[in-house]
Amino acid sequence: SQQGEEDPQALSIQEGENATMNCSYKTSINNLQWYRQNSGRGLVHLILIRSNEREKHSGRLRVTLDTSKKSSSLLITASRAADTASYFCAPSMRSSYKLIFGSGTRLLVRP
Amino acid sequence: GAGVSQTPSNKVTEKGKYVELRCDPISGHTALYWYRQSLGQGPEFLIYFQGTGAADDSGLPNDRFFAVRPEGSVSTLKIQRTERGDSAMYLCASSLTSGRTDTQYFGPGTRLTVL
Repeated sequence: SQQGEEDPQALSIQEGENATMNCSYKTSINNLQWYRQNSGRGLVHLILIRSNEREKHSGRLRVTLDTSKKSSSLLITASRAADTASYFCAPSMRSSYKLIFGSGTRLLVRP
Repeated sequence: GAGVSQTPSNKVTEKGKYVELRCDPISGHTALYWYRQSLGQGPEFLIYFQGTGAADDSGLPNDRFFAVRPEGSVSTLKIQRTERGDSAMYLCASSLTSGRTDTQYFGPGTRLTVL
């Protein structure tokens, strides 16, 4: 079964608004990575948060991690039309280094 | 520097044929991973190499799938007797090591279509 499950499955917002995507997982992790994928293309790494970290920032991105709730969130501030893509969280399981992806959140930023 | 590269970018084959998909990891990366992504879904893990050896092949769906990494760099994913259900995007990723904090960098993928 999938470990990283994103919520919502789809999100439509106006340019300039903030977008928040949530992720839940099931087992102990080494770290959790967030990726972006534009239609039909490869995955672009956005940010990695370690299991002992609670929050991390990178530009307009803010990621939080709550290991007690086995959940993470990705916040994109001041969204742009170019942020339109699918976003995936990928926990790295403690027992292995493979990433476990959910089905992603499809974000649409309307100009 | 150069990222992960995959060839071919697209592969169309007929049911029952044999295909090979190639991955060139980032230079110096010791860990290499293969994933498969179906339309509308997230990538699914297939196999992971640390150096030349397959450290975890638990994601390979059946014995028609096989992967090698003979010199610890380039890897080839081999699919025998292809079936229509094998049609998907095949993604390769590499990381510096297989440590707990290592980022996996993905290539552009090979889109396999089995007719």
